[in-house]
Amino acid sequence: EPEVTQTPSHQVTQMGQEVILRCVPISNHLYFYWYRQILGQKVEFLVSFYNNEISEKSEIFDDQFSVERPDGSNFTLKIRSTKLEDSAMYFCASSPSSGLAIHNEQFFGPGTRLTVL
Amino acid sequence: AQKITQTQPGMFVQEKEAVTLDCTYDTSDQSYGLFWYKQPSSGEMIFLIYQGSYDEQNATEGRYSLNFQKARKSANLVISASQLGDSAMYFCAMREPNTGNQFYFGTGTSLTVIP
Repeated sequence: EPEVTQTPSHQVTQMGQEVILRCVPISNHLYFYWYRQILGQKVEFLVSFYNNEISEKSEIFDDQFSVERPDGSNFTLKIRSTKLEDSAMYFCASSPSSGLAIHNEQFFGPGTRLTVL
Repeated sequence: AQKITQTQPGMFVQEKEAVTLDCTYDTSDQSYGLFWYKQPSSGEMIFLIYQGSYDEQNATEGRYSLNFQKARKSANLVISASQLGDSAMYFCAMREPNTGNQFYFGTGTSLTVIP
């Protein structure tokens, strides 16, 4: 069964450093998403990406964040200068289209736990 | 206003019993989708069940069923015959295609199944 993969599973970084979180969405999916979950809190939407551009972003997704699809398979989230409050689990998700039907559910990756020291 | 409200931070259920996890939602759209995800301690998000706003029947997936009451804007998850492996966080989520396609998640309910 196809699945979304994310690397690394855990990333530890120093405050102020840049990090890149990597995701490989399901191959025939067209819509890609990043979500964040601070420990013990709910999952929050960061950004959606379609046709090589950002389609929606939340207020969390400020200038420190950027996303890219550098090739036909990877989808990355870059945090330019990490802050302590960026420590969270980051989930990548993909879906085949934007509709609501069950087959358009968003498939989530296993997450990358980012720890900023 | 919160899009998704889950009022039960923690729930306990005896093994083999049924449990209902509450979820209410807020939307002015006619078209929306409601989802439940399970998050075990390992952290991954596991899709459980989906209910579309136009679906007339309650969704069911094995031991999971969704008690959809549209007028009350509630979408409670019912887990029948609880198993020890059901112990996890459960998140209710909504998508509104007319206002972007991202998920809005609730704060989650931590379910513990007692042997």
